[in-house]
Amino acid sequence: DVKVTQSSRYLVKRTGEKVFLECVQDMDHENMFWYRQDPGLGLRLIYFSYDVKMKEKGDIPEGYSVSREKKERFSLILESASTNQTSMYLCASGAGAVTEAFFGQGTRLTVV
Amino acid sequence: GENVEQHPSTLSVQEGDSAVIKCTYSDSASNYFPWYKQELGKRPQLIIDIRSNVGEKKDQRIAVTLNKTAKHFSLHITETQPEDSAVYFCAASNSGYALNFGKGTSLLVTP
Repeated sequence: DVKVTQSSRYLVKRTGEKVFLECVQDMDHENMFWYRQDPGLGLRLIYFSYDVKMKEKGDIPEGYSVSREKKERFSLILESASTNQTSMYLCASGAGAVTEAFFGQGTRLTVV
Repeated sequence: GENVEQHPSTLSVQEGDSAVIKCTYSDSASNYFPWYKQELGKRPQLIIDIRSNVGEKKDQRIAVTLNKTAKHFSLHITETQPEDSAVYFCAASNSGYALNFGKGTSLLVTP
């Protein structure tokens, strides 16, 4: 069974804090993704990575950065958290081109 | 980039009826079209997918059709059951790396 694990289920952070969201997958997948899910807006791609140390911007990268130092781990960083970054964050991984993406359980982040 | 439109945003059907959700995409190079189901409080999970060299695919009560010329694809659920109630997302991939999702359809199946 593929497992994609996000480090926290719920997080509450203060405005201006640096926030790290961690994601680990155990299936040796090349591709990893960070999505943001908001009601009525669906799943929007923030960043993705197709190899270690490689990253590509998605549709809404502003205010975020990512790090992929090891194949199994993909981190999302909010450099200076703002209230408009309050959201559900979903990590996913996939084996390669045109294949199923497996999602983590999500991190609900609240910025106050 | 790829733009995926999904309709309707909400859908209510009676148990036993059929449900149809439609999506359109903008990039003619897209070649992979999955559908995900997300139950309340859970992660999205793949229920069916179709590739651009196939026009239709079925798996028990669910089917997906693809019209490449018109750039649209649809999810069909027959004999709906209350456990089909969830949010359904369509997606398209034109690069093979990242999926672009529609905004989702909230399906409610009433007994």
